[in-house]
Amino acid sequence: GQQLNQSPQSMFIQEGEDVSMNCTSSSIFNTWLWYKQDPGEGPVLLIALYKAGELTSNGRLTAQFGITRKDSFLNISASIPSDVGIYFCAGASGSRLTFGEGTQLTVNP
Amino acid sequence: DGGITQSPKYLFRKEGQNVTLSCEQNLNHDAMYWYRQDPGQGLRLIYYSQIVNDFQKGDIAEGYSVSREKKESFPLTVTSAQKNPTAFYLCASSIRGQGYKPQHFGDGTRLSIL
Repeated sequence: GQQLNQSPQSMFIQEGEDVSMNCTSSSIFNTWLWYKQDPGEGPVLLIALYKAGELTSNGRLTAQFGITRKDSFLNISASIPSDVGIYFCAGASGSRLTFGEGTQLTVNP
Repeated sequence: DGGITQSPKYLFRKEGQNVTLSCEQNLNHDAMYWYRQDPGQGLRLIYYSQIVNDFQKGDIAEGYSVSREKKESFPLTVTSAQKNPTAFYLCASSIRGQGYKPQHFGDGTRLSIL
């Protein structure tokens, strides 16, 4: 099946720093999504990208849908302690999602 | 409040037993999904249903079964044929339509083998 490569696997940063993570795929997706998951809970949608080249912001979060439709990145600016969690990218083909393996983010106060 | 309710939060199963995980939504969504999550990994699709009385296998359906008798309910049965059932199980729902529609997730059920 389709696979997404998400990197980095984990990040340890200081509060106030900016963060960048990305996903690449061997297949084309029509939609890219970024989710955040807190321990013991379900993922929560952060940003959805529907067009190649699209750049979308949600507060301190910015994500882009790559021109080739095979990649996407997520940036978090001025990180705060509540940004801690696992961030997942996902590519959509029709109604089905393929998830990356996640980036575990730790923010030190 | 509208949302997706998964129960129980934690579930323990003896080897060789079937167990059923509940998923209920009051969002009036047509489509529902079941995912499995293992430590350090992303979510993998088990089964999904676009409409009542219809469902399709996902990427890892072996050892699982589902039913969709009501719009708001999509229970997942983990059968004894599933050799490695210990995992975090997540249910999601979405509206139905052309292309991708945002999926809303429940808070999951953690299944462990005794």
